[in-house]
Amino acid sequence: DAGVIQSPRHEVTEMGQEVTLRCKPISGHDYLFWYRQTMMRGLELLIYFNNNVPIDDSGMPEDRFSAKMPNASFSTLKIQPSEPRDSAVYFCASTYIGAATTDTQYFGPGTRLTVL
Amino acid sequence: DAKTTQPNSMESNEEEPVHLPCNHSTISGTDYIHWYRQLPSQGPEYVIHGLTSNVNNRMASLAIAEDRKSSTLILHRATLRDAAVYYCILRPNFGNEKLTFGTGTRLTIIP
Repeated sequence: DAGVIQSPRHEVTEMGQEVTLRCKPISGHDYLFWYRQTMMRGLELLIYFNNNVPIDDSGMPEDRFSAKMPNASFSTLKIQPSEPRDSAVYFCASTYIGAATTDTQYFGPGTRLTVL
Repeated sequence: DAKTTQPNSMESNEEEPVHLPCNHSTISGTDYIHWYRQLPSQGPEYVIHGLTSNVNNRMASLAIAEDRKSSTLILHRATLRDAAVYYCILRPNFGNEKLTFGTGTRLTIIP
């Protein structure tokens, strides 16, 4: 398996522009998570999906952020409009919750976003 | 959510064992103890997890105190590739799939 795939790996944009980050989870996984990592705040959970349905979006910082999962193999995280404080590394992770809910989360390589 | 406390940083010599401590005095009976690590410029990766008994896998061992208020991740023979930030995370057994990452321990391996 190729693991969790994220694109782009690096994104540089100007303040006010729309940014779309993409994630392909591991095939067969039914949970997908979006995290953000900064030096100041560490690794934070933004939102997660179960079977393509958003379950908890309490970590989404504000209305400028939105996430979708149109099918089991694809998710997007969109920032519109972007601001310099959105600069961070964004990780996507996926997992399959079996009978014992202790399963591993598999993380992608991340997208490093820089907003100028 | 129950909290964990870890030292900010640790150093160890290459090819020696490393013991990474984690305190979780408010752990509940259904909380699993998970360890993840994050190598430089990579996403976190799973290391090991346990509930009450000590656990071993190819990467590490997890020693859990009898009262479960602390645990220790043991790397038996550290290599330079083990240099990473190690996170100790409590995760409820049911009804909560989230992982809440703390600040972790930055492990430096000295050649």
